[in-house]
Amino acid sequence: LAKTTQPISMDSYEGQEVNITCSHNNIATNDYITWYQQFPSQGPRFIIQGYKTKVTNEVASLFIPADRKSSTLSLPRVSLSDTAVYYCLVGGSSNTGKLIFGQGTTLQVKP
Amino acid sequence: SQTIHQWPATLVQPVGSPLSLECTVEGTSNPNLYWYRQAAGRGLQLLFYSVGIGQISSEVPQNLSASRPQDRQFILSSKKLLLSDSGFYLCAWSTGYNQPQHFGDGTRLSIL
Repeated sequence: LAKTTQPISMDSYEGQEVNITCSHNNIATNDYITWYQQFPSQGPRFIIQGYKTKVTNEVASLFIPADRKSSTLSLPRVSLSDTAVYYCLVGGSSNTGKLIFGQGTTLQVKP
Repeated sequence: SQTIHQWPATLVQPVGSPLSLECTVEGTSNPNLYWYRQAAGRGLQLLFYSVGIGQISSEVPQNLSASRPQDRQFILSSKKLLLSDSGFYLCAWSTGYNQPQHFGDGTRLSIL
C-alpha cells in the first residue's frame, strides 16, 4: 500500500480557500485517492475520491496531476466548522479495500 | 440508505476483563467490514478486515480477535484486556474495490 505524506497542521481564516497537498510517490496503477474528514470523538467522514485530473462535489475539489504522485484537496471558503483532521489515503485497489491511515492534517480555521 | 451501528459508545473495563464490541450494517449486502483503533491524537490503525462471513484477516498481532457470524455483523473481542487496549475503536464498511469506507460513531474504551 502506498505511503502518503501530508502536512501535520495548517491554519486558515474563515472565508478563505484551503488547499491541502498530499504526496504519494508509490501509488499503484489501480489505486484511488480518497480524502476523509474527522472531528474529535467521531468516525472519519468520506469527503471525496478521485483517480486522475479533477473531481468536484458539493463540499470540495480534488486535483490530481498526470503523474498521480500527489493530490490536492481544495476546500472553498472554509468556516469554523471545517476545523478538523483531514486524511489522505491511497489504495483500496485490492478486493479487500484495505486502506492505511497516516497522521492526517489538522486544519484550524480562525475567525 | 445504508447505516452502520456501533455499541456501546463508551466503555470502562478493568484490566483482565473480557471485551465484546459489536458493529452492524444495514441497507447493503456482503460488505467489506473493518475494525480500526485510534490512540489519542493519532491516526487510525487497521486491526481486522473481513470480505465475507467467517473470513477474517488480522493486521496487527495482539490479544484482540474479530468474528463475522453474519453477513452484516462484525464483532471485536478479547479474553483479557490490557491497559494498552485503551483507545477509540471504529468499525467501517465498504462495498469493496476502490470504494469509500463509511465509519460508525466509535466506542471509547478505557481500561482501568
